Amino acid sequence: KNQVEQSPQSLIILEGKNCTLQCNYTVSPFSNLRWYKQDTGRGPVSLTIMTFSENTKSNGRYTATLDADTKQSSLHITASQLSDSASYICVVSAGYSTLTFGKGTMLLVSP
Amino acid sequence: DTGVSQNPRHKITKRGQNVTFRCDPISEHNRLYWYRQTLGQGPEFLTYFQNEAQLEKSRLLSDRFSAERPKGSFSTLEIQRTEQGDSAMYLCASSLPQGGNNEQFFGPGTRLTVL
Repeated sequence: KNQVEQSPQSLIILEGKNCTLQCNYTVSPFSNLRWYKQDTGRGPVSLTIMTFSENTKSNGRYTATLDADTKQSSLHITASQLSDSASYICVVSAGYSTLTFGKGTMLLVSP
Repeated sequence: DTGVSQNPRHKITKRGQNVTFRCDPISEHNRLYWYRQTLGQGPEFLTYFQNEAQLEKSRLLSDRFSAERPKGSFSTLEIQRTEQGDSAMYLCASSLPQGGNNEQFFGPGTRLTVL
């Protein structure tokens, strides 16, 4: 069964600090891995997409890594801002239309 | 704003009533997806269309749920005889055909509350 596990479930950090969110997956066949940011009451917005051959990708203060051998990904947020408070969802594509979503990590950035 | 719009944004209804939601995808996207998301969970796949054809339906899509995309553009999701367990955020997404990275762009969602 395809699964995506995220940790931690929730996280509180002080504004300006860095943090790293984890994603482990068992999805086959692997097509790509995405990280989405979802503000409360809004739809998810894509941050990064990585294919099998990519092991790091940045989008501003967000840097995602992918280790296809261990089936792990991380999302690192640098110099956090209050607006980073959101749920971060790891999504793995098995090709065609099939996406497997993690439950998300709820991040709260405190002033 | 991703370019995908959904209406209404919020719907409160009484148990047993029917509700209908609308999704307008990005115009050049021929794939359209519906998801359901409950609090603290990731989105769960319900169904998807390629143009007007409904190609896949999840087991979550009970007989009370029906989705249409009659002209291959906007789509509607209808829930008949709503139950309290139907309370959730209903998300729509669209994408270009397979061949790219199949990135899905999500709408803002419709929050359904069944009393």
